[in-house]
Amino acid sequence: GAVVSQHPSRVICKSGTSVKIECRSLDFQATTMFWYRQFPKKSLMLMATSNEGSKATYEQGVEKDKFLINHASLTLSTLTVTSAHPEDSSFYICSARAGVSNQPQHFGDGTRLSIL
Amino acid sequence: AQSVTQLDSQVPVFEEAPVELRCNYSSSVSVYLFWYVQYPNQGLQLLLKYLSGSTLVKGINGFEAEFNKSQTSFHLRKPSVHISDTAEYFCAVSFPFTGGGNKLTFGTGTQLKVEL
Repeated sequence: GAVVSQHPSRVICKSGTSVKIECRSLDFQATTMFWYRQFPKKSLMLMATSNEGSKATYEQGVEKDKFLINHASLTLSTLTVTSAHPEDSSFYICSARAGVSNQPQHFGDGTRLSIL
Repeated sequence: AQSVTQLDSQVPVFEEAPVELRCNYSSSVSVYLFWYVQYPNQGLQLLLKYLSGSTLVKGINGFEAEFNKSQTSFHLRKPSVHISDTAEYFCAVSFPFTGGGNKLTFGTGTQLKVEL
């Protein structure tokens, strides 16, 4: 149980393109989803927290107009990297958590984004 | 300030030997503690968690961890490792009673390399 599916697993695109990444909880309802960015050989950096039906809460230093997050249902959240540039290239990982705060986060397999 | 420290960036160990991966945290309030494993180009998989109760927690793949409140530690152990345990291990802490949506704070990770 507690499976989170993230799609696509890899994206290569030209500079200026917008890229959408989907995160789905397959067998549970995720009231809260999280988006992380991971640089090579580094830890995970939380970008934003989203609750179903609400606006996402962004961490300090994360551009909300650059990284658009939508959490329209209890099983789906999307991250759109708008007008991507090479410096946006990274490994993006989502996680999902069921209702109560002591439940662990369950992670997707990540998306490798490469901007040429 | 609340923080998580994994002092060892890399831990080499021979197959079938025991291993301990260290994690210390800084907090004056109660915490929830987690260990996650990450294989190359994948997301994170939950190994085990401590919320309350018994301080010795058993997880998947033969791993266990012990919560030590006085030393603010949550070290991960396995009595006999396998080649397949080679991966990056992250300690994570959430501070459930401080507001902020119960976010996870990750350590910098420990690369466990199991050798023949």
